[in-house]
Amino acid sequence: KQEVTQIPAALSVPEGENLVLNCSFTDSAIYNLQWFRQDPGKGLTSLLLIQSSQREQTSGRLNASLDKSSGRSTLYIAASQPGDSATYLCAVKANSKLTFGKGITLSVRP
Amino acid sequence: NAGVTQTPKFQVLKTGQSMTLQCAQDMNHEYMSWYRQDPGMGLRLIHYSVGAGITDQGEVPNGYNVSRSTTEDFPLRLLSAAPSQTSVYFCASSYSVAGGQDEQFFGPGTRLTVL
Repeated sequence: KQEVTQIPAALSVPEGENLVLNCSFTDSAIYNLQWFRQDPGKGLTSLLLIQSSQREQTSGRLNASLDKSSGRSTLYIAASQPGDSATYLCAVKANSKLTFGKGITLSVRP
Repeated sequence: NAGVTQTPKFQVLKTGQSMTLQCAQDMNHEYMSWYRQDPGMGLRLIHYSVGAGITDQGEVPNGYNVSRSTTEDFPLRLLSAAPSQTSVYFCASSYSVAGGQDEQFFGPGTRLTVL
């Protein structure tokens, strides 16, 4: 059974800091890995998708990497801003299913 | 495109009542799924469908029914609501089930409270 882990559960950083959010998964036979953002009381917004054959994807200040053999992905956020405060979830797609981590709640202090 | 839409946004039920959560997408996606999100438990898959007429169970299917008569719609039925079904429900869709390039799109969610 695929298991996805995100540690720590919460993170607080000062504005301007570069930060890395980690995601690990147990079964490397995946189609892709997707990072989402969720604001309180809202739905999930897709940030980046990395196919299993890819190593990384970039969008603006966000960069996501994938090391399938070691079962790890990282989401790098450059020059963090208070508006980046949200919960970040990673999810892996395999066997007709998307399995989610429990998310990392990020707080960026002004 | 409206994307993935869900109705209602909020619902309060009494124990034993039944209801249907509606989900629709206008992107011609084959794959649709339902999740529930609970504090400390994350998002868990309830049911999914890989095309019209084809559905299967996810991680937590008990107490829920689904059907997929059209590509666009994937309703979730609660047969006899229980307080344990109090949760936020999300519907999602993607172009295919196995495509590595296929992004999952989520609806805005339905907040359900069962008294």
